[in-house]
Amino acid sequence: DQQVKQNSPSLSVQEGRISILNCDYTNSMFDYFLWYKKYPAEGPTFLISISSIKDKNEDGRFTVFLNKSAKHLSLHIVPSQPGDSAVYFCAASAKNYGQNFVFGPGTRLSVLP
Amino acid sequence: GAVVSQHPSWVICKSGTSVKIECRSLDFQATTMFWYRQFPKQSLMLMATSNEGSKATYEQGVEKDKFLINHASLTLSTLTVTSAHPEDSSFYICSARAQDLYGYTFGSGTRLTVV
Repeated sequence: DQQVKQNSPSLSVQEGRISILNCDYTNSMFDYFLWYKKYPAEGPTFLISISSIKDKNEDGRFTVFLNKSAKHLSLHIVPSQPGDSAVYFCAASAKNYGQNFVFGPGTRLSVLP
Repeated sequence: GAVVSQHPSWVICKSGTSVKIECRSLDFQATTMFWYRQFPKQSLMLMATSNEGSKATYEQGVEKDKFLINHASLTLSTLTVTSAHPEDSSFYICSARAQDLYGYTFGSGTRLTVV
């Protein structure tokens, strides 16, 4: 059973608007979460992370929100740019898993000019 | 569905020895598998892409003779780190994709420590 889910395979957003990418997890032991961005033929690039002691982390246009009670996190991109078009993965880990991460299947974001 | 099993989860080996990491797709046929290496809180670096039955395509800077990849079947790819050195210590993770399935499925990763 998937421990990290991204239920939207794809998302299209107009340039300048907000993109919201969602991620749900089932393992309550997860305490550290990351978002990666992947362009074709490249490895995923680290974007932003959040630990379970926070509910929000912001870095420029990217903000990650964590709702521990709902086991849900989201990545907000504001404003969206065409260069943001990529596949976005969320990943989760727990202290007792070491550095091992569990990845979601990804959401393909298309930002339309 | 779409589960990838990666073994071992962690391994400690002595310098000069070889270590094999396995990546298995449990319930689908993985026509393509990817091997990544990650340093803490950094991006996953794509090392190579392998297609079943053909030679792996290595990224620039990745030594083919050091990181041997074998994708002998549609459910199994292996990465062998040969003559391991302490600088090879890292987190290695595989990802698999099937032609008719959405998305990428990642293994749980292998933490390699070379002493």
